[in-house]
Amino acid sequence: QVQLQESGPGLVKPSQTLSLTCTVSGGSISSGSYYWSWIRQPAGKGLEWIGRIYTSGSTNYNPSLKSRVTISVDTSKNQFSLKLSSVTAADTAVYYCARAEGPYDSSGYLDYWGQGTLVTVSS
Amino acid sequence: DIQMTQSPSSLSASVGDRVTITCRASQGISNYLAWYQQKPGKVPKLLIYAASTLQSGVPSRFSGSGSGTDFTLTISSLQPEDVATYYCQKYNSALGTFGPGTKVDIK
Repeated sequence: QVQLQESGPGLVKPSQTLSLTCTVSGGSISSGSYYWSWIRQPAGKGLEWIGRIYTSGSTNYNPSLKSRVTISVDTSKNQFSLKLSSVTAADTAVYYCARAEGPYDSSGYLDYWGQGTLVTVSS
Repeated sequence: DIQMTQSPSSLSASVGDRVTITCRASQGISNYLAWYQQKPGKVPKLLIYAASTLQSGVPSRFSGSGSGTDFTLTISSLQPEDVATYYCQKYNSALGTFGPGTKVDIK
């Protein structure tokens, strides 16, 4: 059974960079044809797809965040990471990591999710 | 970019009722459509992918249909544990857009 767990600071100052890591257990991040994804959800609002990475390193990002987002993978640690720069209060949300399956070059459907971590942007 | 809409935004139904939620894509996405259930305070859970394929372990009262631009999620007999917000998500391209959600509660 694949499990994902987000980790990182719960409080980030405005204009700084939000950094989160997702640790995958119960399977190798390199095995299979999966996309490793980040999604966020502001309090009381809907889900927003942030982006995903394939284990080859190929990435795709939400155009609304593309200039500020970087997703990377560390196969030796079975982890993938999210960096979001120049954050503002609007980036306050619960951030989820997830595994996606689907056709090549798609975002995939999200079949395993982490528990989510709340990141608050505030001085 | 393809936009996803859902209707209604919320609904209230009685236990045992048949409930239908609609998801519409602004352009055709074939059958690359997934449905998720998010109970209050919980992590979203995959219910259906490829528009109509039930994820393992999901009760058979849930079903999905549609192709192209119009999709439906049906709960054949609403149960108290189905109180949740339901989201559709397209995945036909590298951009995985979610619908705005439909909140379902018990009358």
